[in-house]
This record gives sequence, C-alpha cells and structure tokens, in this order.
Amino acid sequence: AQTVTQSQPEMSVQEAETVTLSCTYDTSESNYYLFWYKQPPSRQMILVIRQEAYKQQNATENRFSVNFQKAAKSFSLKISDSQLGDTAMYFCACDLSNDYKLSFGAGTTVTVRA
Amino acid sequence: DGGITQSPKYLFRKEGQNVTLSCEQNLNHDAMYWYRQDPGQGLRLIYYSQIVNDFQKGDIAEGYSVSREKKESFPLTVTSAQKNPTAFYLCASSVTGNYGYTFGSGTRLTVV
Repeated sequence: AQTVTQSQPEMSVQEAETVTLSCTYDTSESNYYLFWYKQPPSRQMILVIRQEAYKQQNATENRFSVNFQKAAKSFSLKISDSQLGDTAMYFCACDLSNDYKLSFGAGTTVTVRA
Repeated sequence: DGGITQSPKYLFRKEGQNVTLSCEQNLNHDAMYWYRQDPGQGLRLIYYSQIVNDFQKGDIAEGYSVSREKKESFPLTVTSAQKNPTAFYLCASSVTGNYGYTFGSGTRLTVV
C-alpha cells in the first residue's frame, strides 16, 4: 500500500521565523510526483509547491522550499519569514504510481503567532 | 474566470436519503476526482474519472456513486448505504500529467 505520513499534527511559529513540516512516504517506484497543499480556514485547497522525483534539485516557490531526500523517502516543506497569512493546514500529497491519483497525508496545522 | 464550482456549500441529509453533490469545471480538464475529508485523516479518494463516460473506484467508494456524462461535470451521489456520510467533500480536476489538482471550495454534508 502506498502511504503518506505527516508526523506533526500541529506546529506553532513566531511571525518572521522559519518552520519546517515533515512528510515521509512509501513507494517502490523510481519516478513519482510530490506536492504540498495549503488549506486555510476558508478550506480552499491551494497548491503550494511541486517536486518531480527524478529531479535532484529541490523546488522553491518564493518563501516556500522543499528538502527532498529520495533515498530516505522524505519530502519536507520549509516556510521562511512566516506571515500571519500562512496560518493553515498543510497537506503533503504524492502520486506514487504515476496514475495521476494523489494520496494525502493527515495534515499539519500551522499557526503563525504575531 | 476558469475554476471548479461545487454546490451546495452546505447540505443536510436525513437518514435513508440519497443526496447529490454537484461539481462543475470550466478548465477543460480531462480528469476529475472526489475526496472526502475527515478530521485527522487527511483526504481520502472516493471516485475518479480520467475521461468522459469512464470512472473508477477510489479507496472508499462504498456507499457512493458517480457519473461522467459531460467533460465539465462529475456529480457525486451519497446513497443511504453510506453509514457515516457526515464529512467535508472536495472535488478536484487536473490536466493529463502530474501538475497537481485544482480544487473546488467543498461541500459540507451533515446527517440530521
């Protein structure tokens, strides 16, 4: 079975500080796709960042970056210079079979404190 | 503007009733998906469709049914066989290829 694990149910960070969210997954495939989604209190899911497993370079989108460790099957998200608007639940999602179906982790609730 | 529209935003179902959740997209995406979100469990795949007139079961299809008669529409019916239907339901669509999903704003279903 393909599984995606987010081991941190909740995290809190001071505004302007950095927070890192962890995600591990299980797959026997060599090429696959990984995503982080943000779900703010409005509950609208927003794509934050995307990583292709065959690319060794870590993806970056403004203040969001990933640390992709293929051998360890780890895909963490770093939020730099945290802003109040970053308060949300963050989901790690993976297409681990290249069949365009995403498996989601349980989510990590991030609270940014003023 | 292109996007995905889910309706209604809130839905109440009596015991034994079937209800249908609407999902419409004008993004010209081939694939559409239905997920269920429960607290602490993330999103779980109910059904998906990668082409018109074809759909497949996801991980938790029991008690649900779908149709895909038009590219733009992918309605989900929650039948009386679904014993615990209270949840937040999300519809998504994507182009072919792993570029991620576009999500609708969701429907909150409550059994009364």
